[in-house]
Amino acid sequence: EAEVAQSPRYKITEKSQAVAFWCDPISGHATLYWYRQILGQGPELLVQFQDESVVDDSQLPKDRFSAERLKGVDSTLKIQPAELGDSAMYLCASSLQGPYGYTFGSGTRLTVV
Amino acid sequence: AQKVTQAQTEISVVEKEDVTLDCVYETRDTTYYLFWYKQPPSGELVFLIRRNSFDEQNEISGRYSWNFQKSTSSFNFTITASQVVDSAVYFCALSEAISFGNEKLTFGTGTRLTIIP
Repeated sequence: EAEVAQSPRYKITEKSQAVAFWCDPISGHATLYWYRQILGQGPELLVQFQDESVVDDSQLPKDRFSAERLKGVDSTLKIQPAELGDSAMYLCASSLQGPYGYTFGSGTRLTVV
Repeated sequence: AQKVTQAQTEISVVEKEDVTLDCVYETRDTTYYLFWYKQPPSGELVFLIRRNSFDEQNEISGRYSWNFQKSTSSFNFTITASQVVDSAVYFCALSEAISFGNEKLTFGTGTRLTIIP
């Protein structure tokens, strides 16, 4: 079964350091999403790509977060500098079209110390 | 704005009991999709079901069943004869079309289900 690949699985970083997460969507899925899940809450959308273009980044804290999907395939989410409140699970998802084939990766669990 | 409410924060039942997880949603869209996901301790979100707003038929998949009622804006999830492996956090979600072919999921806060052996 096709999967959304994410790495690293776990990341511990110190406050004010830079950190990056990688996501490889299911082959053929043009839409890619980054969600953040704070402990005890549901995931919330940070940014969405259609191919290499950003469709929605209204909830992305742009002063410290950036996301790119240069060739319209895999994507990188970066935080610089990391803050304690960024500790969360970062989930990547991809979809074939709209709500169809919406699949999540295993996530990256970030701890900022 | 779309909203999903899962009023049950935590539920504990003894193994083999039936359990129902509630989900109430708000949307002004006439076309929408509802989802249920399971999140085990490992953290990944496991897809359980997707239902579109025009299909109010209840669905059964093994021990799982879903009751969709547009009149009450609810999409409840029942596990029959619960097992320890069902212990997880369960999320209900609603899709919102950002643009054609692009959907954003709005999640509820989840219900932590514990099955006691």
